[in-house]
Amino acid sequence: NAGVTQTPKFRILKIGQSMTLQCTQDMNHNYMYWYRQDPGMGLKLIYYSVGAGITDKGEVPNGYNVSRSTTEDFPLRLELAAPSQTSVYFCASSSGTGLSNQPQHFGDGTRLSIL
Amino acid sequence: GENVEQHPSTLSVQEGDSAVIKCTYSDSASNYFPWYKQELGKRPQLIIDIRSNVGEKKDQRIAVTLNKTAKHFSLHITETQPEDSAVYFCAASSSFSGNTGKLIFGQGTTLQVKP
Repeated sequence: NAGVTQTPKFRILKIGQSMTLQCTQDMNHNYMYWYRQDPGMGLKLIYYSVGAGITDKGEVPNGYNVSRSTTEDFPLRLELAAPSQTSVYFCASSSGTGLSNQPQHFGDGTRLSIL
Repeated sequence: GENVEQHPSTLSVQEGDSAVIKCTYSDSASNYFPWYKQELGKRPQLIIDIRSNVGEKKDQRIAVTLNKTAKHFSLHITETQPEDSAVYFCAASSSFSGNTGKLIFGQGTTLQVKP
């Protein structure tokens, strides 16, 4: 059981380039999340999804887009990379329902540098 | 919006001593409180969680207490070991008002256990 899988693990981008961070989970979780973690800081929610076809903004959505066409996959898109987007990006999922919260399970992260 | 404050930001203890990390939350509707441990360069991993219908939960050397009236919760680690050295994050979430499972994280506490 792989859990939450993120690719790539590392990436260096030039300013203005675009890329997609991939996230897939094999636990049949409805809820998925994208966070960014700047050095020495906590986790900030970028976007989240409560099911296929449903996405919504978190605390820091500017400069990012997401889609959720299947239960398993939740890719994060950077359209015009900026140095401020240099960070570690974590994807997470949970089996939460509308009635109760459940623990979030995290992937290993993608370390992204914008130069 | 919801806010979670975590203290202290750094904590150094001798091996075998106890460590306590405290968090306060602002949203009285919060009813789920997980704690995550993050080792350097690794993913956050859930170590314990508590729901608002209980005041304390234990798992071996780790315990969490919750005071709903004061809106604060604490992580207690007894008999600390060098492998407990990591960054610890508290978080809070509410399952009311259209549950999304979103977590609001504290700023993190860097725990150093000295041999």
